[in-house]
Amino acid sequence: EPEVTQTPSHQVTQMGQEVILRCVPISNHLYFYWYRQILGQKVEFLVSFYNNEISEKSEIFDDQFSVERPDGSNFTLKIRSTKLEDSAMYFCASSEGQGNLGNYGYTFGSGTRLTVV
Amino acid sequence: AQRVTQPEKLLSVFKGAPVELKCNYSYSGSPELFWYVQYSRQRLQLLLRHISRESIKGFTADLNKGETSFHLKKPFAQEEDSAMYYCALRSGSGNTGKLIFGQGTTLQVKP
Repeated sequence: EPEVTQTPSHQVTQMGQEVILRCVPISNHLYFYWYRQILGQKVEFLVSFYNNEISEKSEIFDDQFSVERPDGSNFTLKIRSTKLEDSAMYFCASSEGQGNLGNYGYTFGSGTRLTVV
Repeated sequence: AQRVTQPEKLLSVFKGAPVELKCNYSYSGSPELFWYVQYSRQRLQLLLRHISRESIKGFTADLNKGETSFHLKKPFAQEEDSAMYYCALRSGSGNTGKLIFGQGTTLQVKP
């Protein structure tokens, strides 16, 4: 079964440093997403990406965050200057599309645990 | 406002007992609802989506628009069902299709 792949599985970074989280979505999927889950809290939407641009972003996704699909396969999340409160599990997801027909569920990656020290 | 509420943080049952994980939603349009499961902090896995009306691992969920609920049920719980369960609503604003998650319910099945 196709998978969404995320690297690294765990990243430790110092406060103020830039970090890039990488994702390889499923190849025929068109919609890409980042979610995060702070320890003990619910999964929260960060950003969606379609047709090489951001479709929607949450209030969490401020100017410190950016996303890119640099080469048609990878989908990256960059945090420019990490803060302690950015420590969380970050999940990438991809989806074929929207609608009520067919398999339009999301496929999530296994996540990157980001620890900011 | 679009919202998903899972009122129980923890549900503990004995093996063989029936299970019902509650989920209520608030959404102005026609909702698209999902249940995801997360075993031991692994990836989120799709368990059920309401449009397919299927049964996975013995779990079923029926969308009740009158009560705005999408409760997850299983008649006989197994130890391997112990996991975190998230109810989610797909928001249909624009072409985004973002998921809005509930707080999650930890299901603990005791032997």
